[in-house]
Amino acid sequence: AQKVTQAQTEISVVEKEDVTLDCVYETRDTTYYLFWYKQPPSGELVFLIRRNSFDEQNEISGRYSWNFQKSTSSFNFTITASQVVDSAVYFCALSEAGYSSASKIIFGSGTRLSIRP
Amino acid sequence: DAGVTQSPTHLIKTRGQQVTLRCSPKSGHDTVSWYQQALGQGPQFIFQYYEEEERQRGNFPDRFSGHQFPNYSSELNVNALLLGDSALYLCASSSELAGTFYEQYFGPGTRLTVT
Repeated sequence: AQKVTQAQTEISVVEKEDVTLDCVYETRDTTYYLFWYKQPPSGELVFLIRRNSFDEQNEISGRYSWNFQKSTSSFNFTITASQVVDSAVYFCALSEAGYSSASKIIFGSGTRLSIRP
Repeated sequence: DAGVTQSPTHLIKTRGQQVTLRCSPKSGHDTVSWYQQALGQGPQFIFQYYEEEERQRGNFPDRFSGHQFPNYSSELNVNALLLGDSALYLCASSSELAGTFYEQYFGPGTRLTVT
């Protein structure tokens, strides 16, 4: 069965601090996709990144970076020099790359990140 | 290029009533998935429609049903509403034809309150 665990329910840091959001996943498939989404108070899910199970390269996009480790089934997300605008709920998610399109996405329970000025 | 749109934005219903939520996919997309997000939780998959048929279904009762129209837009219907159905309902679209099935775009959601 697929499962995504985000053990950190809430994190609060002071602006400019670095912060890492943890994500651990479970799947029996060898081919799958991992995602991070941001959900600001408006409610809309904002796509941040997608990785497939065959690409373990870490990725950096501006102040955001992602560390994918298949050996530990983890896909952690780090924000460097956090800003108040980063305050939101962040979801890690998993989708098995089945034979058909748009396999369902399994979401974690989310981490609420608060950046204090 | 319009993204995924949903209507209405907010809705208040009474227990036992029925509700219909609507979703228009992103231009060029042919697959629509629906998710329920209860307060403080992550979204949960309800079902997915492709070629006007339900293709996948999550662990939701038959009170939840849907439809997809020839123009790929979709409706989510919930009968006999319960207080526990209060949630943000999210629609996501993607493209089977383009093979970019892993790129699901989410709409802004419909917030349903059942009293």
